[in-house]
Amino acid sequence: DAGVIQSPRHEVTEMGQEVTLRCKPISGHNSLFWYRQTMMRGLELLIYFNNNVPIDDSGMPEDRFSAKMPNASFSTLKIQPSEPRDSAVYFCASSLTANTEAFFGQGTRLTVV
Amino acid sequence: KQEVTQIPAALSVPEGENLVLNCSFTDSAIYNLQWFRQDPGKGLTSLLLIQSSQREQTSGRLNASLDKSSGRSTLYIAASQPGDSATYLCAVIRGSTLGRLYFGRGTQLTVWP
Repeated sequence: DAGVIQSPRHEVTEMGQEVTLRCKPISGHNSLFWYRQTMMRGLELLIYFNNNVPIDDSGMPEDRFSAKMPNASFSTLKIQPSEPRDSAVYFCASSLTANTEAFFGQGTRLTVV
Repeated sequence: KQEVTQIPAALSVPEGENLVLNCSFTDSAIYNLQWFRQDPGKGLTSLLLIQSSQREQTSGRLNASLDKSSGRSTLYIAASQPGDSATYLCAVIRGSTLGRLYFGRGTQLTVWP
């Protein structure tokens, strides 16, 4: 398996634009997580899905952020409109079940100017 | 709320030394603990996962121990090599909020030849 695949690897966008980050989890994994990493706050969970259903979205910072998982092999994290303070590295991770070993993608480095 | 602390924040050692990285957590009711490695500009690589019922796990030159009652875990790296240079992160899953990983800020390790 190729592991968790995220795209794009880098994204530079202007403030106010919509940004969509994509993730393909490891095949057969039932849980998918979106994390954000910043120098100030470290790694924080934004949302996680179990069997394509959002279970915990308490980490989503505000309504500008939304995440979907239309099927077991694909998820998106959307920011609309984007702001400079959204600049961070966004990681997607998956695991067999919610509490087993988590495997991370390479991340998307988002810069909002 | 679960707080995860890693000490030291940075460590620089000569090649060949045995070293210990520390992780402490405030809520001892954890489900499991996972150690990760992060190389600059890369994603997280899972190193070891310890279930709450276990005391330690070993993988090659790495040994991780867990003392739930005192809220501590250590990652022991034997015979360190320059290739071990990276940031090491520990993360716990609480029993009460299954699925969510709570991360420490990491220990940045440099092993010089």
